[in-house]
Formats: sequence, structure tokens, C-alpha cells
Amino acid sequence: QKEVEQNSGPLSVPEGAIASLNCTYSDRVSQSFFWYRQYSGKSPELIMSIYSNGDKEDGRFTAQLNKASQYVSLLIRDSQPSDSATYLCALAGTGGFKTIFGAGTRLFVKA
Amino acid sequence: ETGVTQSPTHLIKTRGQQVTLRCSSQSGHNTVSWYQQALGQGPQFIFQYYREEENGRGNFPPRFSGLQFPNYSSELNVNALELDDSALYLCASRPNSGANVLTFGAGSRLTVL
Repeated sequence: QKEVEQNSGPLSVPEGAIASLNCTYSDRVSQSFFWYRQYSGKSPELIMSIYSNGDKEDGRFTAQLNKASQYVSLLIRDSQPSDSATYLCALAGTGGFKTIFGAGTRLFVKA
Repeated sequence: ETGVTQSPTHLIKTRGQQVTLRCSSQSGHNTVSWYQQALGQGPQFIFQYYREEENGRGNFPPRFSGLQFPNYSSELNVNALELDDSALYLCASRPNSGANVLTFGAGSRLTVL
């Protein structure tokens, strides 16, 4: 079993819709959870971090964490064509000795 | 505040050769990690350096080695290059505060022929 699992997609949504990206993980001791966005040919950039169960909102983005179910999600409201990218789920354990990434989900937002 | 810079941006090597990639971490960041990202895959953790010591390593063979210098810049060395080493190599730094948020450089794209 992979440490971080994501649906590779592509996920296609129309402009203005809600995009829902999901991620499951296997290591129960993981403490920190992240969503990074990676445009084609570019390096990853942080969108959201979440450390506690529940929801965390930042603008059009909402991260959701359920440690009991080992599940992290990212909702993008009012999706824009500029949101088209690969979204990487990542997690780190205590001590932060390494951050592990999923394979990423490709999102296409159609104008 | 400067970001993370990597060099070179692109390079082509042949099998069996050796390569050195360089990274300057962001100001205020004393931890540097290296990742390998093959086409269509997520970044794979190679290793991490904190205050010039390796303090974490992924599933990569010993021919992948690194250094961190007193100014927190870092090098990734790969010996005996193989075709499968062709990838984007990403350097990421973390702040001294210990937060696990990574700031990535633009990457070095290595092609092994």
C-alpha cells in the first residue's frame, strides 16, 4: 500500500463549479497535512496546511482532515481555468524528518 | 527575502557519468530536502539535511549522496547515472521555526542518455 494515495484523474469540472480532491494515507502517526499545487513545468507551491481534524478555509479553498478515517480532502469553490494544475497531497510525521507526497491529481477547469 | 535557487536548470548526461546539483536555501531556512520527480509522478523524497547533517533518507541507493554547507546551501550528487535517473530534481527548504512547510526551487531537469 502506498503511503499517500490520490486519484490521478484527470478531474474535469466546469468553470464556477466546486472541485473536490481526495487523499488517503496509511501512516497513523502523521501529524501535518498539506496540499501543494503544481503547474505544468513548474515546481510545487503550498496552498493549504492542516493539522487538526475538521475544516480549514482560506479564500476559495477548504481543506478537510479526518484522522480517524486517514483522509484529507481539498475543495476548490468557484473553480477558475487558472486552477488547472496537478494537486499534490503531502504529509509529515513528528520531527518533520521527511514530507511524503502522493502522485497528484490533475485538475482541468473548462471555461 | 530570496527564495530557493537551484542550478543548473537543465543538463544532459550519459549513463555511468556523475552529476552534481546545487541549491541555495531561502533566508532563515536551515533544513534542506531533495526530491526526485519523474514525469507524471509525485516528488519522491531522497534525503534531508539539517545543520550539515543528513537526518532523513528515502529509498534511494548510496550512489545518491549529498552535502549541506555552513550557509545552509546544499548539493546532490549522483554517481554511475542510470537511464531511470532522468527526472526533475527538486530542492526544498524549511524554516528554522521547525514548521514543515516546504518552499521549492524551480528544479534541475536531468536527462540521462
